Amino acid sequence: GQSLEQPSEVTAVEGAIVQINCTYQTSGFYGLSWYQQHDGGAPTFLSYNALDGLEETGRFSSFLSRSDSYGYLLLQELQMKDSASYFCAVKVQYNFNKFYFGSGTKLNVKP
Amino acid sequence: DARVTQTPRHKVTEMGQEVTMRCQPILGHNTVFWYRQTMMQGLELLAYFRNRAPLDDSGMPKDRFSAEMPDATLATLKIQPSEPRDSAVYFCASGPGLGSTDTQYFGPGTRLTVL
Repeated sequence: GQSLEQPSEVTAVEGAIVQINCTYQTSGFYGLSWYQQHDGGAPTFLSYNALDGLEETGRFSSFLSRSDSYGYLLLQELQMKDSASYFCAVKVQYNFNKFYFGSGTKLNVKP
Repeated sequence: DARVTQTPRHKVTEMGQEVTMRCQPILGHNTVFWYRQTMMQGLELLAYFRNRAPLDDSGMPKDRFSAEMPDATLATLKIQPSEPRDSAVYFCASGPGLGSTDTQYFGPGTRLTVL
């Protein structure tokens, strides 16, 4: 079976830094993606890590440790518009871009 | 600005009725996915197509659900007969295929309510 664990909810203040963790147990592993979803909206792609280490894209960074089956999304200089749900997703097959999604973390950014 | 489009955006129907949801993937994308999202189950993969061929529909209840790609610009998801437990948001996503990020681009979703 496939198992991805994320905290259900995180609260932080505007301007702060927040880290959303994801641990996984899957039948295969070829990469970890992160998606953002605002209430009533569609998931949008944020980042993808296939190798260990940190990937930075503006205010957002994503980290992967394959040996620990663990990754995280780091959001810096939080803004109110960052209030959304964040999903990690694992690519489980090499030649198929098939992903299993975590249950999501709801981030509440307060003034 | 290329986007995945889905119709209808909202659908309310009665139990037992047939429901058809349509998706137009981004032009040039060769992979299409159907997902279902509920509060209880989260985002579940129902079906996955590459170059219009179904590669994986293991997440789809076979007795009532069917997914097809009649051509490269149209993907359909049908439920017949529909049941109240099918109430969910159904997302279609498309992607440019295997690559460094395997990004998927999601459509706005169809919010289905079965009474």
